[in-house]
Amino acid sequence: GQNIDQPTEMTATEGAIVQINCTYQTSGFNGLFWYQQHAGEAPTFLSYNVLDGLEEKGRFSSFLSRSKGYSYLLLKELQMKDSASYLCAVTPTGASGGSYIPTFGRGTSLIVHP
Amino acid sequence: DSGVTQTPKHLITATGQRVTLRCSPRSGDLSVYWYQQSLDQGLQFLIQYYNGEERAKGNILERFSAQQFPDLHSELNLSSLELGDSALYFCASSAADNEQFFGPGTRLTVL
Repeated sequence: GQNIDQPTEMTATEGAIVQINCTYQTSGFNGLFWYQQHAGEAPTFLSYNVLDGLEEKGRFSSFLSRSKGYSYLLLKELQMKDSASYLCAVTPTGASGGSYIPTFGRGTSLIVHP
Repeated sequence: DSGVTQTPKHLITATGQRVTLRCSPRSGDLSVYWYQQSLDQGLQFLIQYYNGEERAKGNILERFSAQQFPDLHSELNLSSLELGDSALYFCASSAADNEQFFGPGTRLTVL
């Protein structure tokens, strides 16, 4: 089984930096996704980490520690449009039929205020 | 725009009814995934098809079924609908395991 934990809600100020944490416990691990989802819209892909370390993509960075079962998403220079839910999802290893089905956390609702 | 299309965008129906949701994956993607997202459950994986065949099954009820056609579009059939089936239903497609691109979703309301 898999268990994924994220904070339910976070608030931050426009222009600031925010770190959204995700911890997981899985029977096997292949990689970890981060998705952004605005209310009522589809999740959009942000990152996929397989190896330990930090990966940077513009204002967004994602970090993974496989040994600690821990990841974070770092958002810099926050903008109002970054207000959204951020979903952490873990894919297992060796799933049946060679499929890697992600298990999603409940998401962290980020509110950016002026 | 992810390149994945879903129809209809909204669907309102009554308990006991049956509906069909449709998904067209991105051009060239062989895998299609179906997810259900409700307020109290988060995003739940239902089922995956790869090139016409069922590849993985998640928390999909027996009242629900899906298929993927030779042109790779997929349909999710929901029958004997209950109030609790009201949710957003997303389809996603992928060409590789390290990515999934989601469609805009179908919002189902069961009255």
